[in-house]
Amino acid sequence: AQSVTQLGSHVSVSEGALVLLRCNYSSSVPPYLFWYVQYPNQGLQLLLKYTSAATLVKGINGFEAEFKKSETSFHLTKPSAHMSDAAEYFCAVSGTASKLTFGTGTRLQVTL
Amino acid sequence: GAVVSQHPSWVICKSGTSVKIECRSLDFQATTMFWYRQFPKQSLMLMATSNEGSKATYEQGVEKDKFLINHASLTLSTLTVTSAHPEDSSFYICSATASADTQYFGPGTRLTVL
Repeated sequence: AQSVTQLGSHVSVSEGALVLLRCNYSSSVPPYLFWYVQYPNQGLQLLLKYTSAATLVKGINGFEAEFKKSETSFHLTKPSAHMSDAAEYFCAVSGTASKLTFGTGTRLQVTL
Repeated sequence: GAVVSQHPSWVICKSGTSVKIECRSLDFQATTMFWYRQFPKQSLMLMATSNEGSKATYEQGVEKDKFLINHASLTLSTLTVTSAHPEDSSFYICSATASADTQYFGPGTRLTVL
């Protein structure tokens, strides 16, 4: 069985500040891990994914995430936040049959 | 690449009527499509998994007779909400995958049942 915990349902950062969105996972098999972003009234867009290759994964829009097996974490970071980064972010883990289990989401607010 | 569309993007219907939502993979053949439901300010809940040419596999608690899924081709899956009621109002999102590791999501369909 797989599960995902996203710490912090709401994160607020200033424009230009570091973005850190936390994700911890539990998986009975080697996990595939994903970060998706959702803008209001839209579907999900894939930011990046970890599929057992390099532990530091670079995605779109300047985001990256590091897989840490010892900490069962896959935190999402971006060095400098932009106003356009304001959205809902979902961490997800994939187990058998490609089924995704999502976290509860973190709403990122970017202030001036 | 990897574009998934949904139609309609929003629909309003009367209680008791049925609504069909289409999900298409535009530039790839999808071996598997998934249907999710999302309530306001909540995460996505997987409803069912469908493979082309076979019956959908529904998650526990999802009524298969109410949410009919057809996956007629490698690029099209449909979700029909039968005899819709106000509690079925939600945001329905599909996803499609060609390989085992990545799902690509459609833009979603907002259903409002009056």
